[in-house]
Formats: sequence, structure tokens, C-alpha cells
Amino acid sequence: RKEVEQDPGPFNVPEGATVAFNCTYSNSASQSFFWYRQDCRKEPKLLMSVYSSGNEDGRFTAQLNRASQYISLLIRDSKLSDSATYLCAVNGNDYKLSFGAGTTVTVRA
Amino acid sequence: DGGITQSPKYLFRKEGQNVTLSCEQNLNHDAMYWYRQDPGQGLRLIYYSQIVNDFQKGDIAEGYSVSREKKESFPLTVTSAQKNPTAFYLCASRIGSNQPQHFGDGTRLSIL
Repeated sequence: RKEVEQDPGPFNVPEGATVAFNCTYSNSASQSFFWYRQDCRKEPKLLMSVYSSGNEDGRFTAQLNRASQYISLLIRDSKLSDSATYLCAVNGNDYKLSFGAGTTVTVRA
Repeated sequence: DGGITQSPKYLFRKEGQNVTLSCEQNLNHDAMYWYRQDPGQGLRLIYYSQIVNDFQKGDIAEGYSVSREKKESFPLTVTSAQKNPTAFYLCASRIGSNQPQHFGDGTRLSIL
């Protein structure tokens, strides 16, 4: 079983829609969690950290469910500029981050 | 500006040649990482270093080598033993074990 798994999508949504997707992780000792955004042929950029109580940054909401070992990302009022691949990253009890393969989101006009 | 600088942006390797990818950071981060990304794939860890003069193999270290002589610098050498080097190589760093990693803008390596 992979350490971190994501639904690859693609999620194809109209502008203004809400889209949500999950990322599951296998290491129950994982301490910290992140969402990154990666545009085509570019480096991943940190979108947000995921806190135990859940957190929001504008139109983006991240949640952590430790019992079921997954994190989620919800994007409200989708913009064309939200089209990207979203990578989740999970930290174990060492200095390494494990990345999912990414979920592709395409927002259409 | 503080950040992570990778060079070159594009690199071509001939058969039997070793090439070195540069990664420099001025963020005063202790830990540095090298990843490989193939088209449509996730990030795979090649090597990482938590402190100067120390580094560990990641999941796909064969055919690669690194050094960490200075805190700011973590160069990656792709040796001739790496038979399929064509990929997007990403360097990252972070300040501590529970902090996010930050990435350079990558080097695209191709075989001539």
C-alpha cells in the first residue's frame, strides 16, 4: 500500500462550483499535513498547512480526519485560475515528507 | 530575495556522462531534499540531508550522488549509472521536521 494516495481525477467543474477531494495516508503516526498546488511544468507551491481543527484560507478549506486517516481539500466558488494539480504531503516522524501523486482539477468557463 | 535557486533550468546529458544539478538556498534551512518527477507522476525522493556533512538515501538513490559541504548548497550528480535520467528534478528545503518544504523551480534533464 502506498504511503499517501490521492484520486487522480480529473475533476472537471464549471466556474463557481465547489469541488472537494481527499488524500489518504497509511502512517497513523503522521504529525503534519500539507496541500500543495502544482501548475503544468512548474514546481509545487505550498497552498496551505492542514491543522487538526481544520482551517480555511479564503475559498480553500482543509480538514484532517485522524480516525480515518485522510485529509481533504475543498475549493469554493472555483475560478479558472484554480485549474492545477493538487498534491497532498504527509510527514511521518522523521524529516521526510511523503507526497501523493496529485489530483487534477480543471475549471471550465 | 530569500529562496531556493536551481540551475540550470534545462540540461542535456550525453551517454556515459555525469552531470551535476545545482541547488542553493539562502533561507537558513537545515534540511534539503532532491526529488525526481516523471510526467504524470508524483514526487519520488532521491536523497535528503538534515545537516551539513550528512545525507541519507531516499527511495530511488541508485545512479545518483550528493554532497552537503555547506548549509546553503546541496548539489545532485546524475551519474552514467542512471540509465533513465530524463525527468524534472526538484530541490526543496525546510526549517524543521514539522514544517512544509519549499521548492526551487526545478531542472529539466534530457538525454541527447
